[in-house]
Amino acid sequence: EAGVVQSPRYKIIEKKQPVAFWCNPISGHNTLYWYRQNLGQGPELLIRYENEEAVDDSQLPKDRFSAERLKGVDSTLKIQPAELGDSAVYLCASSLPSLGTDTQYFGPGTRLTVL
Amino acid sequence: SQQGEEDPQALSIQEGENATMNCSYKTSINNLQWYRQNSGRGLVHLILIRSNEREKHSGRLRVTLDTSKKSSSLLITASRAADTASYFCAASNTGKLIFGQGTTLQVKP
Repeated sequence: EAGVVQSPRYKIIEKKQPVAFWCNPISGHNTLYWYRQNLGQGPELLIRYENEEAVDDSQLPKDRFSAERLKGVDSTLKIQPAELGDSAVYLCASSLPSLGTDTQYFGPGTRLTVL
Repeated sequence: SQQGEEDPQALSIQEGENATMNCSYKTSINNLQWYRQNSGRGLVHLILIRSNEREKHSGRLRVTLDTSKKSSSLLITASRAADTASYFCAASNTGKLIFGQGTTLQVKP
């Protein structure tokens, strides 16, 4: 079974430029998460989707961040414009809560460097 | 920040020794989970302990949970060089995971 796929793995951009990250969750997983992980810290939730609905986006900086999950499968996270403080690893995870557990399966992440 | 605390922040031991790391959290929980992260990789789920459980074992892993103190510990017995990684606890509440800051474990061969 394929795991969570993310691309790109690395991205270097200059500040004020836009950037987008893509995630393909495990097949059949209806819940998808985007996290940001700063160096030396644990992941922090940005947004959680159940199917195509964003059910928790309270930590998403909506002035510059946006996300979508069309058709309830793949998801894209966008930053426009990027700031120096956005440098971090962006992790995507998926889960299937109907199995009775909220164990999350993580992709390898996208390491973003903003210069 | 909602993140919990983990202690120690870093731990260095010899292969074969046991490693213990502790976690404190702030919210009420449905369960508490532990994840491992190898350098430059995503997180991998290790073990889940429900709020009504006090101890759980899985292979060389032993997890304890004290909900009255809002704390948990992870013990890795007979450590191996391959256990070198960062370990994170995650408090689960209504489908949301709140991660601690992690413990970096180095196991020297």
